[in-house]
Amino acid sequence: AQSVTQLDSQVPVFEEAPVELRCNYSSSVSVYLFWYVQYPNQGLQLLLKYLSGSTLVKGINGFEAEFNKSQTSFHLRKPSVHISDTAEYFCAPGGSGGSEKLVFGKGTKLTVNP
Amino acid sequence: GAGVSQSPRYKVAKRGQDVALRCDPISGHVSLFWYQQALGQGPEFLTYFQNEAQLDKSGLPSDRFFAERPEGSVSTLKIQRTQQEDSAVYLCASSLVSEQFFGPGTRLTVL
Repeated sequence: AQSVTQLDSQVPVFEEAPVELRCNYSSSVSVYLFWYVQYPNQGLQLLLKYLSGSTLVKGINGFEAEFNKSQTSFHLRKPSVHISDTAEYFCAPGGSGGSEKLVFGKGTKLTVNP
Repeated sequence: GAGVSQSPRYKVAKRGQDVALRCDPISGHVSLFWYQQALGQGPEFLTYFQNEAQLDKSGLPSDRFFAERPEGSVSTLKIQRTQQEDSAVYLCASSLVSEQFFGPGTRLTVL
């Protein structure tokens, strides 16, 4: 069974600083990898996804992530954060079949301070 | 176009009451998923439909939970004899290929 670990439950940063949110997964089979963002009292919005091909994936709002198969990691990065990036971020591997269930991490609460 | 919608957005139930939560997926999306998100946690998978067929219900926590999608579009998650531990946000998602699109969720509070 797949599992996913988000190593930091909370990450406070100052505005315009870089940020990295860490994610490690365990799977012996090929997976799709996703990062979702959840703003307060809202549903989940897709930030970016890795399906195949280039290991560096660019998403919305200036976020990017790098798939590292040897380290089974999919860390999320942004070079300069804004106040509006304050939200909960979830890493989720999905089944190689595509339309299969996602296994979510516990989330990382990113707080951007002025 | 319209996204995934869920109703009601908020539901308060007394312990022991039955509840029904509705999900309207994006038109044409074949796959539909239900997740449960407890406070401060990530979403956890409940069940998955492909069209009207329920292909995976391994995440349903007990036989009090039942989901259906009779015509391959709208889905209903029903919880019988609600318990306090059922309090959570219930998220619905639909997909066509690889990306799941989520609705805003239904926040269920069981008193």
